[in-house]
Amino acid sequence: EAQVTQNPRYLITVTGKKLTVTCSQNMNHEYMSWYRQDPGLGLRQIYYSMNVEVTDKGDVPEGYKVSRKEKRNFPLILESPSPNQTSLYFCASSSIGGVVDSPLHFGNGTRLTVT
Amino acid sequence: KQEVTQIPAALSVPEGENLVLNCSFTDSAIYNLQWFRQDPGKGLTSLLLIQSSQREQTSGRLNASLDKSSGRSTLYIAASQPGDSATYLCAVMQDNQFYFGTGTSLTVIP
Repeated sequence: EAQVTQNPRYLITVTGKKLTVTCSQNMNHEYMSWYRQDPGLGLRQIYYSMNVEVTDKGDVPEGYKVSRKEKRNFPLILESPSPNQTSLYFCASSSIGGVVDSPLHFGNGTRLTVT
Repeated sequence: KQEVTQIPAALSVPEGENLVLNCSFTDSAIYNLQWFRQDPGKGLTSLLLIQSSQREQTSGRLNASLDKSSGRSTLYIAASQPGDSATYLCAVMQDNQFYFGTGTSLTVIP
């Protein structure tokens, strides 16, 4: 089954404790991206990657890091989380930039709480 | 910077009614536009993708149109059903980035 898998689904942590949210896709998509969703603000793009070893900032990259060492994986790293990073996070992938464009495929989300 | 607006923020209709959801964007230099559905506590599911060179796309009871020059898209839902109740979001792709509207929350009353 074609899917984007995020882990964990729920995460509660404390300020300053480094964490990683994993994202993996099995569709051989070139494009992968991370978003945060906050009430009243909608989805905002954090980082995106056009292909392996190619990453770029979205609208709200501060406090986040990403890496794209393999085509299927695109982890989101918070090296020193703060309470204002409490949010619902989504990973998504697409074949945009490849041979044929496909819609964005989303993972089920990770609800992060930073206390 | 691209801004995407969706009006109305919420909509409640009786079952069987046809309805239109609106999406507007400020910069017409987009690569594509997508409509998504989001159920509570779930991820987003793609409904329709319209390339910038296209005017509309159809899937079942859904029809999406795109008027790039005026910065507008509409999602038409025919013969609405209670199962259509969800939040509908539109997004535009520009310069490899995606910009989302804040969505329209649709309730279809049986």
